[in-house]
Amino acid sequence: GQNIDQPTEMTATEGAIVQINCTYQTSGFNGLFWYQQHAGEAPTFLSYNVLDGLEEKGRFSSFLSRSKGYSYLLLKELQMKDSASYLCAVLTPTGGFKTIFGAGTRLFVKA
Amino acid sequence: DADVTQTPRNRITKTGKRIMLECSQTKGHDRMYWYRQDPGLGLRLIYYSFDVKDINKGEISDGYSVSRQAQAKFSLSLESAIPNQTALYFCATSETRSEETQYFGPGTRLLVL
Repeated sequence: GQNIDQPTEMTATEGAIVQINCTYQTSGFNGLFWYQQHAGEAPTFLSYNVLDGLEEKGRFSSFLSRSKGYSYLLLKELQMKDSASYLCAVLTPTGGFKTIFGAGTRLFVKA
Repeated sequence: DADVTQTPRNRITKTGKRIMLECSQTKGHDRMYWYRQDPGLGLRLIYYSFDVKDINKGEISDGYSVSRQAQAKFSLSLESAIPNQTALYFCATSETRSEETQYFGPGTRLLVL
């Protein structure tokens, strides 16, 4: 089966660091994505990991461990505009490569 | 101009009506997708198309049909709308031979009464 788990909600303070975890069990693996989605808007691409390790991009970093079926998204120097849902998604080779999305983590950044 | 557009952006319809949601893209991508998003359930794949002659069912295709009229256009139809099809619908595209990053349209908010 295909299963992606991430926390439903998290709250953090402006200026702090927050880590959003994602675990997955899928039929095959070809990469893991993180998308950001503000309320009522379309998801937008944040990061892509295909090899183990940490990928850093400005205030955002994403980590992958394929052997553990685990990833996290790290957001540093939180800003109010980071309040959004963060979707973990796995690219699988089934059906000619499809992306399976987790339900998303709603992050609330408070002053 | 947006690369992926959807029309209409909002739609209210009645149970039993047939409706069509349209998606157009100017990114030149081969692959197009239709998802629905419900609170707490995330994005679920309805149909996807890897080129004009290729249409595939996703995990929740019952009650829906699609048409890929051209590389740039992918339409989703609800044959006979029912209230539990009330949701936010997204069209997305991706380019073959890349890491399959998906680019989403702005969404269509559908309410079935």
